[in-house]
Amino acid sequence: GAVVSQHPSWVICKSGTSVKIECRSLDFQATTMFWYRQFPKQSLMLMATSNEGSKATYEQGVEKDKFLINHASLTLSTLTVTSAHPEDSSFYICSARGPTSGGGRTDTQYFGPGTRLTVL
Amino acid sequence: QKEVEQDPGPLSVPEGAIVSLNCTYSNSAFQYFMWYRQYSRKGPELLMYTYSSGNKEDGRFTAQVDKSSKYISLFIRDSQPSDSATYLCAMARAIAYKYIFGTGTRLKVLA
Repeated sequence: GAVVSQHPSWVICKSGTSVKIECRSLDFQATTMFWYRQFPKQSLMLMATSNEGSKATYEQGVEKDKFLINHASLTLSTLTVTSAHPEDSSFYICSARGPTSGGGRTDTQYFGPGTRLTVL
Repeated sequence: QKEVEQDPGPLSVPEGAIVSLNCTYSNSAFQYFMWYRQYSRKGPELLMYTYSSGNKEDGRFTAQVDKSSKYISLFIRDSQPSDSATYLCAMARAIAYKYIFGTGTRLKVLA
């Protein structure tokens, strides 16, 4: 259980184009999803927190007009990188908050496999 | 000072060794402590999840939390080459709060 998928797994685009990345929770409903960016040999940097049916909350320094997030349903969040440039090339990973194993009321974040974006 | 400190490694051990991975933190408000494993070019996979202090065991993995020292550990017994990956610690103040990640420790288990 607690599987999160991302699509596409990798994408190459030209500078100036927009790219959409999908994040889906496959076997649970996620009211909250998170978008991270990870550069080579570095840790995950949280970009934004996405709550179903409301506007995303962006971390300091993340341009909300460049990284558009939509969380239209309890199983789907999308990240659109608008007017992508080479410096946006990175590994983008989403996570969804879901139940921990063993029951109880706690939950944790389950990560998707990531999307590698290369902007030429 | 970073909120979460983690030695980036790489840490190389022979197959069968006991591996100890550690993180220190500065925010005493952290209550939730997680360990994730990340293979190259893949998303992180949840290994262990601990609330507050104490130990938790799952198969070959044991997580320890010492809140008085602000120090958490992950032990891997009988390490295997397939355990070679980057191990990330993560912490949160409350379940609804964002996670703060360590930089990750690269582990290599040599056959």
